[in-house]
Amino acid sequence: DAGVTQSPTHLIKTRGQQVTLRCSPISGHKSVSWYQQVLGQGPQFIFQYYEKEERGRGNFPDRFSARQFPNYSSELNVNALLLGDSALYLCASRGTGGLRNQFFGPGTRLTVL
Amino acid sequence: QKEVEQNSGPLSVPEGAIASLNCTYSDRGSQSFFWYRQYSGKSPELIMFIYSNGDKEDGRFTAQLNKASQYVSLLIRDSQPSDSATYLCAPEVGVGGGADGLTFGKGTHLIIQP
Repeated sequence: DAGVTQSPTHLIKTRGQQVTLRCSPISGHKSVSWYQQVLGQGPQFIFQYYEKEERGRGNFPDRFSARQFPNYSSELNVNALLLGDSALYLCASRGTGGLRNQFFGPGTRLTVL
Repeated sequence: QKEVEQNSGPLSVPEGAIASLNCTYSDRGSQSFFWYRQYSGKSPELIMFIYSNGDKEDGRFTAQLNKASQYVSLLIRDSQPSDSATYLCAPEVGVGGGADGLTFGKGTHLIIQP
């Protein structure tokens, strides 16, 4: 079984640009969450999606948006990039059983110059 | 603001000894607690979860929870060099709209010395 996949692996953007990150969950998982992990910090919750609907949002500005597709894959969009958006963006796939059945993908490393 | 406090370390422990990692949290509503291990450059990996006060053991790992004191800990027995990593404490919290997520601490950097 394939695990959680994310693309791209690494990305370099400049300030003011827009970026789209992609995630494919584990087969059979219907929930996807996004986390941002700045170097030296723990991950911070951005969004949770379940059955294509937003179920929760963390304390992030409106520049951050996401969606989930009928095949349960998800995209995270960040507009008007700031230097402080440089981070590892993690996608978490969740099946039945709640957070004890949640697995993180390898992440996308975003660098904003 | 819901906070999770961990000693960032580094915590240095000799091989074969017991490593003790501690965490305090501010949200009294948290019911479930998770410990993740994160190797440098990798994503977090769930190693333990605990729901009830007391101890929960899984192999070399023991999680301890005291909800009254808002304290959760992780013990690693017979520490191995492969245990060298950052350990993240993460209480489950409600994040609105009926969803739940994790609030992570900054993590404790553990070094097992051969």
